[in-house]
Formats: sequence, structure tokens, C-alpha cells
Amino acid sequence: EIVLTQSPGTLSLSPGERATLSCRASQSVSSNYLAWYQQKPSQAPRLLIYGASSRATGIPDRFSGSGSGTDFTLTISRLEPEDFAVYYCQQYGSSLTFGGGTKVEIK
Amino acid sequence: EVQLLESGGGLVQPGGSLRLSCAASGFSFSSYGMSWVRQAPGKGLEWVSAISGSGGSTYYADSVKGRFTISRDNSKNTLNLQMNSLRAEDTAVYYCARGDEYCSSTSCYFDYWGQGTLVTVSS
Repeated sequence: EIVLTQSPGTLSLSPGERATLSCRASQSVSSNYLAWYQQKPSQAPRLLIYGASSRATGIPDRFSGSGSGTDFTLTISRLEPEDFAVYYCQQYGSSLTFGGGTKVEIK
Repeated sequence: EVQLLESGGGLVQPGGSLRLSCAASGFSFSSYGMSWVRQAPGKGLEWVSAISGSGGSTYYADSVKGRFTISRDNSKNTLNLQMNSLRAEDTAVYYCARGDEYCSSTSCYFDYWGQGTLVTVSS
């Protein structure tokens, strides 16, 4: 099973700042099959990024994904108030596993 | 508009059973693989089970294999999860999620999610 480790656990930033979230896999993710989700309290997760770097329908371009192999990054270029949430990565190259999440909180 | 609406959650004693359902609308249900993903209180996401569009192939996480059964009724656009021999560690919100259009076996990301149904296993 591929284990995904997300860091940091919590990111404290102000609106307008840049957020950089990391997702590291225990082994190479086949075909860069890596997705990112956003989850707000009491809501279902929302797909942001798939295939490591492709934005899902309706996702603002301030969200971008990058990386390959074992190291992946989600970048939010300028944080909006509605972006404060928990973010999860998920690999789907070898079965299905999720990372433990990164909470982006208001500083 | 794609909609997924879960039902069937509730309080059940350890060792008991529960059947979850997910009513789908707004898309060609039989064309998509579907999954259940759960989230224990205050914890992260855990994939539970998946089923192909035809229902002919099913997949399970090791943690539920032999206890849970996923099924679908494409005539009613409904996804089900039969949960038996429930344990305290099965307590979670259970989400129904649609696999992407190229989803194959468990090689899927999830483009639509329901709002979830809470299952609590406690005496």
C-alpha cells in the first residue's frame, strides 16, 4: 500500500498569502495519478486537482498542482477567505489511499 | 446537476448490521464506477469499497473485507453498502462518491461526493 504523508499538519497564513502544501508518497505514484481535495467543516470533500496538475471543473486558477513520482505540491497563489479548510491528497495509481490532511488556518 | 444523496445511517450496537444507500441523479449512473469513502470523527478520509459501472466487479479495503458488501441497482440509480459485524472503529461519516469517467477498478479519483451519512457503532 502506498502511504501518503502530508506536511505541514497545519499551515497558519493570512489572506492574500501564498500556501504551499506537500504530499509525499512512500513509493512512486503510477502515471502521476494524484488528486487533491478541499474539505470545509461539515461538508463533503471537493475535487480540486487530478492527474497531479489538472484543475477540476470550476476550480479557480489560484489553485495549482505540481510534482511527479513521490513528491507532489498543491499551491494556492493568493489565499481567499473561503480557502481556509483542510486539504487532502489521494493517489489512485495503486489501489486508493489518502493522505492525512493539511489544515490551512487563518493566522 | 449531479446529485448523490446518502441514507441509512444511525446508531447500531457492536456486532450489528446496517445498510446504507445512495440515490444518484443527474448523470448516466450505469456508466460510472462508484465508491464509499468514510471519515471517522476528527480524522482523515479512508476509501472503503468500490464497484464498477455494471456492478460486475467489486473491491474492498482490507479493513472491511468479509464484513461489508457493496452493490448497485442501475435500474433505480442506487448504490448500496451492506455492513455486517460492525465494530466501534467503523464509526464514521460514510460518503458516496462518483469515480471519474476513466475510473477503472480502484484507479479512480472522485469528482462528485454526497453529503454523507453518520454511522455510530456503540453499546
